[in-house]
Amino acid sequence: AQSVAQPEDQVNVAEGNPLTVKCTYSVSGNPYLFWYVQYPNRGLQFLLKYITGDNLVKGSYGFEAEFNKSQTSFHLKKPSALVSDSALYFCAVRANTGGFKTIFGAGTRLFVKA
Amino acid sequence: DSGVTQTPKHLITATGQRVTLRCSPRSGDLSVYWYQQSLDQGLQFLIQYYNGEERAKGNILERFSAQQFPDLHSELNLSSLELGDSALYFCASGTDEQFFGPGTRLTVL
Repeated sequence: AQSVAQPEDQVNVAEGNPLTVKCTYSVSGNPYLFWYVQYPNRGLQFLLKYITGDNLVKGSYGFEAEFNKSQTSFHLKKPSALVSDSALYFCAVRANTGGFKTIFGAGTRLFVKA
Repeated sequence: DSGVTQTPKHLITATGQRVTLRCSPRSGDLSVYWYQQSLDQGLQFLIQYYNGEERAKGNILERFSAQQFPDLHSELNLSSLELGDSALYFCASGTDEQFFGPGTRLTVL
């Protein structure tokens, strides 16, 4: 069965510092991995995805994520955080074989302090 | 703007009632996904349709049903509503990455 874990409910970081939001997954076969961001009272917005290829994926708003197969992780990173990055971040996984369900993690709230 | 539209934005109703939520996917997308987001349950996948056919089912209650019409818009029907059904309901479309609508906030009193 597929599952996604985001071990931190909240991440606090000072503006200008690097940020990391953690995600680990479990899936049969090769994973499709995604990060989404949700601002208050809005729908989720796609940030980036990993399907195949380079383990370092670059996405919107300066975010990137690194796929690590041995650790089954897909952590979201940004070199320099902005106050406007404060939002709820979701990691999601989908197997590329069999079913088509995408499973979302519980979300991590990122708070960037000025 | 994701290109996915949902109506209505807000819905307030009473327990035991039935409501219908509507979603129009992005132009060209054949898949529609429905999700429920509540404070204590996070984002829960309900159901997926692809070109009119049910493709995947998640934690959807028997009181809930959905369909996708030939013009690809989709409706989520919620019946015998309970207080615990109060939540944000999102629709999304897309193939790999999903594009989410703004959601319908359902309040059951």
